[in-house]
Amino acid sequence: SQQGEEDPQALSIQEGENATMNCSYKTSINNLQWYRQNSGRGLVHLILIRSNEREKHSGRLRVTLDTSKKSSSLLITASRAADTASYFCATDADRDDKIIFGKGTRLHILP
Amino acid sequence: DTEVTQTPKHLVMGMTNKKSLKCEQHMGHRAMYWYKQKAKKPPELMFVYSYEKLSINESVPSRFSPECPNSSLLNLHLHALQPEDSALYLCASSQWTGNTEAFFGQGTRLTVV
Repeated sequence: SQQGEEDPQALSIQEGENATMNCSYKTSINNLQWYRQNSGRGLVHLILIRSNEREKHSGRLRVTLDTSKKSSSLLITASRAADTASYFCATDADRDDKIIFGKGTRLHILP
Repeated sequence: DTEVTQTPKHLVMGMTNKKSLKCEQHMGHRAMYWYKQKAKKPPELMFVYSYEKLSINESVPSRFSPECPNSSLLNLHLHALQPEDSALYLCASSQWTGNTEAFFGQGTRLTVV
């Protein structure tokens, strides 16, 4: 089952530009996470934002959460070639023990 | 040590074979997960173990059999798989369940022939 839905599905931008990805989800959550995956290998945790937080920063990453709209955004500033990857949001569905991933955004940074 | 180690990295098996995937973590995490991922799709949850007990089975066919021998190890036993079961199998662990930060292994690329 899918909980989150990212858009866009794919995004290509020039190196140095900012990249914004959005995630919408359906049920109540305790928190929302963003992960990165390079070339179909393991996922790397980027950031976790709790349901009572509205914004969180980590280096070049900025995440926002709007629980009233059941949506989150991930902003990557000053993109680099190494940021080329798939990005997934993940939530706990109905606050149970699961970590459920959205469909993901494939980000391609052009040199 | 913040690693989750999965073996093997690649596996090719016939439909009549029995094989096992292994996952190990030494972070003291009490929740461990198996995910299946097809190309260009998100990871799909298969199983969740909490304190070495199976807490969630996402209606996975019985040809996939998970096992948690101890708090550091998680196995996935495979038997009589189908070609459509070919995928990347990912193991993850977290301190506990409830959508906390999860650490993922690099996965096992499984091909069923």
